Amino acid sequence: AQSVTQLGSHVSVSEGALVLLRCNYSSSVPPYLFWYVQYPNQGLQLLLKYTTGATLVKGINGFEAEFKKSETSFHLTKPSAHMSDAAEYFCAVSRGGGNKLTFGTGTQLKVEL
Amino acid sequence: GAVVSQHPSWVICKSGTSVKIECRSLDFQATTMFWYRQFPKQSLMLMATSNEGSKATYEQGVEKDKFLINHASLTLSTLTVTSAHPEDSSFYICSARAGSKQETQYFGPGTRLLVL
Repeated sequence: AQSVTQLGSHVSVSEGALVLLRCNYSSSVPPYLFWYVQYPNQGLQLLLKYTTGATLVKGINGFEAEFKKSETSFHLTKPSAHMSDAAEYFCAVSRGGGNKLTFGTGTQLKVEL
Repeated sequence: GAVVSQHPSWVICKSGTSVKIECRSLDFQATTMFWYRQFPKQSLMLMATSNEGSKATYEQGVEKDKFLINHASLTLSTLTVTSAHPEDSSFYICSARAGSKQETQYFGPGTRLLVL
């Protein structure tokens, strides 16, 4: 079985501040990890993914995430928040290529002036 | 690339009627498509996995006779909510994957269903 825990259902940051969205997972096999972003009334857009290889993964819109096996974490960061980053962010895990995704409960990011 | 569309984006229907939602992969062939539902302020819950040319695999607790899934071609899957009731009101999202061993799912924009 696999599961994802996203700490903090709501995160608020000031524009220009660091964004840190937390994701911890459990998986019986080496996981594939994903971050998706969802804007209101829209589907999900892939931000970045980790499958194998380099543990620091860079994605779109300046986001990056680091896979830390010892901490079973895959936290999402961005050095400087922008107003357009306000959205819902979902962390997801799968057991590998060809397998279904299990999503976390999501974190709503608010960016304030 | 990797664009997935859904139609309609919004649908309002009367209780007892059936509603069909289409999911299309526009620029790639999707051997596998997934259907999710999302309630307000909640995460996505997988309903079923559909492989082209075969029967869909439903998740535990999802009624296969109520949520009919057809994946007749490599670019189209449909979800039909039969005899819809107000509790079926939700946001339905599909995703598509290009190959059976591919890890990335590409999501459609979703369909908002309101059953009166």
